[in-house]
Amino acid sequence: AQSVAQPEDQVNVAEGNPLTVKCTYSVSGNPYLFWYVQYPNRGLQFLLKYITGDNLVKGSYGFEAEFNKSQTSFHLKKPSALVSDSALYFCAVRDLGGADGLTFGKGTHLIIQP
Amino acid sequence: NAGVTQTPKFQVLKTGQSMTLQCAQDMNHEYMSWYRQDPGMGLRLIHYSVGAGITDQGEVPNGYNVSRSTTEDFPLRLLSAAPSQTSVYFCASSYEGQGGDGYTFGSGTRLTVV
Repeated sequence: AQSVAQPEDQVNVAEGNPLTVKCTYSVSGNPYLFWYVQYPNRGLQFLLKYITGDNLVKGSYGFEAEFNKSQTSFHLKKPSALVSDSALYFCAVRDLGGADGLTFGKGTHLIIQP
Repeated sequence: NAGVTQTPKFQVLKTGQSMTLQCAQDMNHEYMSWYRQDPGMGLRLIHYSVGAGITDQGEVPNGYNVSRSTTEDFPLRLLSAAPSQTSVYFCASSYEGQGGDGYTFGSGTRLTVV
């Protein structure tokens, strides 16, 4: 079985500061990893993904994520936070060799304070 | 190119009523799935389909039926609505080739069962 943990329900960051949203995962094989963002009353929007290759993945809106196989982590980062980054962020995982769909974490509310 | 279209956007049902949530995609994606989103629980997979004529159960399938007669459509049926099915429902689709990709989500259906 595959699973995702997002240990923080909420992350508060001052505008202009760097931000990190944490994610750890568990799969039996090699992972596909994703980050999605959800704004109020909207569907989920794709931010970035890791399949293979460089451990540092760059995505939309200046976000990036670092894949760490030894720590089974895929933390989302941004060097300088904007108030407009405030939203609900989901990490998701899929087993490369499996037939199951994406398994999502419970989500982390990111609040950027002006 | 509309992406993933869900109808209706809002629905109120009485306990015991049945209804169908519609989902259609125009991207020729093989994979389609239904998730429900509840506060503090992230997204949980209800049913999924890897192609026309093929469906399978996800994490929380009880009380829901699906069918996939065409590549484009993947309706979700509530057989006898219960208050526990009050939730926001998201349909998602993806291209499964070349190692897989992220999901495209619809904008959601907010269902209230009274």
